Formats: sequence, structure tokens, C-alpha cells
Amino acid sequence: EVQLVESGGDLVQPGGSLRLSCAASGFTFRNYWMIWVRQAPGKGLEWVANIKPDGREEHYVDSVKGRFTISRDNAKNSLYLQMNSLRVEDTAVYYCVRDSGDRYDAFDIWGQGTMVTVSS
Amino acid sequence: AIQMTQSPSSLSASVGDRVTITCRASQGIRNDLGWYQQKPGKAPKLLIYAASSLQSGVPSRFSGSGSGTDFTLTISSLQPEDFATYYCLQDYNYPRTFGQGTKLEI
Repeated sequence: EVQLVESGGDLVQPGGSLRLSCAASGFTFRNYWMIWVRQAPGKGLEWVANIKPDGREEHYVDSVKGRFTISRDNAKNSLYLQMNSLRVEDTAVYYCVRDSGDRYDAFDIWGQGTMVTVSS
Repeated sequence: AIQMTQSPSSLSASVGDRVTITCRASQGIRNDLGWYQQKPGKAPKLLIYAASSLQSGVPSRFSGSGSGTDFTLTISSLQPEDFATYYCLQDYNYPRTFGQGTKLEI
């Protein structure tokens, strides 16, 4: 079964750090762009970052640039999001997503999400 | 960043209705647009990519059209399981941006 399972969400104080993980199974992880998408409570979806299959190219939304780092370990079929200098507005469910598109994005597989709460 | 504006923000409809949701981009994005469906407490689901290509396994009552700045998602005959929130997403450039969502209610 094709599956993405996130972990690492927690309650953290403003200014703190957290590392999210996503374990992939059921497909050849190293062949796909991977993405993090977040959703604040009661709000819409926000694209956060993506990473190329070989890990050599990354892109970020402006609000997290310099604070968040996306990475991957293809040997471990895992995706990560290192979040530093966390702010209250980073509170959200974070989804790990597979992009199966070639010329176009096609976010076809989503994890169940992991909750990050930033609060004092 | 490209701004994606959906209309309406919410919509009431009945089973069997034909429904259209619109997404407008703040600049031309060719046909680099996808549509996603999200039900409460669940992860989103891909419906349409490349503006009009139906994702495998998605019912044919869903269709997408448009190019440039104006796009539509149409559900030809609403089914009970279609009541959800729908989002468009541009993949023309970075950062990718979603519309604010359209909540489809009974």
C-alpha cells in the first residue's frame, strides 16, 4: 500500500525548534518530488516547501525561509522538516505529500498529518 | 507570489445539482492549476491537474477547464459524498499558492 506517515508534531514554545518526519512506503521514494503542506486550525491550505528527488533543489514559501529546512534521506525513504525559530502563526497540521506529476504538479498521496502547536 | 482567488467562498446546493467553482489567478499561469477536495478531519484529495486532466479514480462528474487567469471546477450532478471544501492550487511558479477554499454545503 502506498503510504505516508508523519510524526514529530508537538507543543512547543515560541522561538523553539521541532523536527517533523515522514516515512514513505509502497513506492519508489527516490523518484518523487516531495512537499510539506500545512493547515492552520479552521483555515485553508498553505504550501510550505518542496524538495527534488535527489535532494539538490528546494523551494520555500517566504514566511518560512531561513527558519525551516526540508530534507530527505532516500536510503531511509524519509522526508523531514526542521523548523526553527517557531512562531505562534506556525501552528498547524503539517501534511507530507507526494508529487506524482511530471510537467505539472499532482499531489496524489497525502499523509494523515501531524499537529504542531506553538504556544507559551 | 501569485494570488489565487476562489468564488464563491461558500455555496449551498442539493443532490443532483450542477455546480461550478471559479478560481482566478493574479497573473497568467497557462494551465498550471490543480483542484483538491477536502472533507472535515481528512487530508485533501487530488481531483484535477493541468487544469483539465482528471486524476485516476476520480468520478467523471468532476471536470476542470480554463487557462491563463480564469479556471473552473464543475461537478455535473452533485452526490452526497461531494459536500466538502474545494481548493485550487497554482503550480506555475514558486511559491505554490492555494486559493482560500470553497465550502460546498447541502
